[in-house]
Amino acid sequence: DTAVSQTPKYLVTQMGNDKSIKCEQNLGHDTMYWYKQDSKKFLKIMFSYNNKELIINETVPNRFSPKSPDKAHLNLHINSLELGDSAVYFCASSSYSVDTQYFGPGTRLTVL
Amino acid sequence: ELKVEQNPLFLSMQEGKNYTIYCNYSTTSDRLYWYRQDPGKSLESLFVLLSNGAVKQEGRLMASLDTKARLSTLHITAAVHDLSATYFCAVDAGRYGGATNKLIFGTGTLLAVQP
Repeated sequence: DTAVSQTPKYLVTQMGNDKSIKCEQNLGHDTMYWYKQDSKKFLKIMFSYNNKELIINETVPNRFSPKSPDKAHLNLHINSLELGDSAVYFCASSSYSVDTQYFGPGTRLTVL
Repeated sequence: ELKVEQNPLFLSMQEGKNYTIYCNYSTTSDRLYWYRQDPGKSLESLFVLLSNGAVKQEGRLMASLDTKARLSTLHITAAVHDLSATYFCAVDAGRYGGATNKLIFGTGTLLAVQP
C-alpha cells in the first residue's frame, strides 16, 4: 500500500564511504525527485527525473549521482561522503502536470 | 532567483485560538503548495493553490493565494493540539502559469498548540 517508499530508513557511515539510497513509487507517476532536509529543517530540491530523463539538476556536488532505471524508481548514489552530507533525504513523486508531490518517509543519513 | 519566506518561524498558541501563517515569495508564480511535517516524519500535502484568489479549506485549516501580492496565508481556526507540527509553503519556480515542478520551500513554521 505504501505510495512512495525509501530504503534504508537510517544510514550511518564513515566519512569517505560510498552509499546509495533507493526510492520506489507505486502511484503511476512519471516524475520523481530527491530533496535534502538539513538540521534546520530547510528543504532543498536536488534532482528530478521525468520518464527516466534528468530534468532538474541543482547545484549539488558531483559526488551525488541520481539514477532512474525506470519511471517507478529513482536511486541516489553518494561518493566520498562528507560530514556535511548528514541530513534527511526525501524522495518524492508526482505527475508532470500540476499535481502535488508525494513524499517518501525519508532516509536519515549520518556521516561520522 | 525565487525566494520564499514564512513568518512566523515559531508559533506557540493556545487551544481554541485563531492564527495565520504567512508565506511571501519574491517572483511571479501562481502555483503554491502547503505541507505539514510531524517530528521525524515525512511531508504531508495539505493544499494545492493554482490561481490568484484560490481558497481551500480542510477542517480547521484554510489556505489562500494572492498572486499579485505574492502572498499565501494559512489560517488556523480554533486550534487543537493535534495541529502541532511544522508547516511549509512551497512555490513552483515556473513563471506566468508555466509549471516547472521545481518547488522552492519556505523556512517552515513550527506550530505548538498548548492546552
